[in-house]
Amino acid sequence: DAKTTQPTSMDCAEGRAANLPCNHSTISGNEYVYWYRQIHSQGPQYIIHGLKNNETNEMASLIITEDRKSSTLILPHATLRDTAVYYCIVRVAYAGNMLTFGGGTRLMVKP
Amino acid sequence: GAGVSQSPSNKVTEKGKDVELRCDPISGHTALYWYRQSLGQGLEFLIYFQGNSAPDKSGLPSDRFSAERTGGSVSTLTIQRTQQEDSAVYLCASSPRGQGSNSPLHFGNGTRLTVT
Repeated sequence: DAKTTQPTSMDCAEGRAANLPCNHSTISGNEYVYWYRQIHSQGPQYIIHGLKNNETNEMASLIITEDRKSSTLILPHATLRDTAVYYCIVRVAYAGNMLTFGGGTRLMVKP
Repeated sequence: GAGVSQSPSNKVTEKGKDVELRCDPISGHTALYWYRQSLGQGLEFLIYFQGNSAPDKSGLPSDRFSAERTGGSVSTLTIQRTQQEDSAVYLCASSPRGQGSNSPLHFGNGTRLTVT
């Protein structure tokens, strides 16, 4: 699976959009981009995933660059409950039975 | 609907004792995974079940660890002769489909195991 690079930490004001970047410059054509988050003392929570098109669901939007070497997770109106560690993962659908979680980005939403 | 359920949520045991951790996946999910997470660390893959196929045990750290999945649903992770380095949060996840799909994993809240 391709390696990802994320900032260690970010702050965001409550009610504002949180934009979390991820670099995956070695991504292969058949690798998907997944985002999970982990709130303290809970298991990881799936947020969104995509291959090459931008995706949106009730939680977030995922913007993938045309060359697929980077992506941005957007939380449109961050709340205090969005404070968590956010993990960007790339993996092939057919090969890996496991997810490799890197260090992630610790997002702190502040009032 | 109901998510992945794990029990117990916390377990304290003495070194050398055996422990059993239980996972109830989301109904209808054919794929089930066990991971563990040490304090401040990422997830470490342990074992993967897909339907009636032989499990992928490649992540089990030693022969003291074993897991089974009965009837394609509930899974039990057993650690024999526990050691202090086994202390971690053990996470279970399930997925509608496993290998060959892009289905996301849905995680439980884990069992926090402390070996004293």
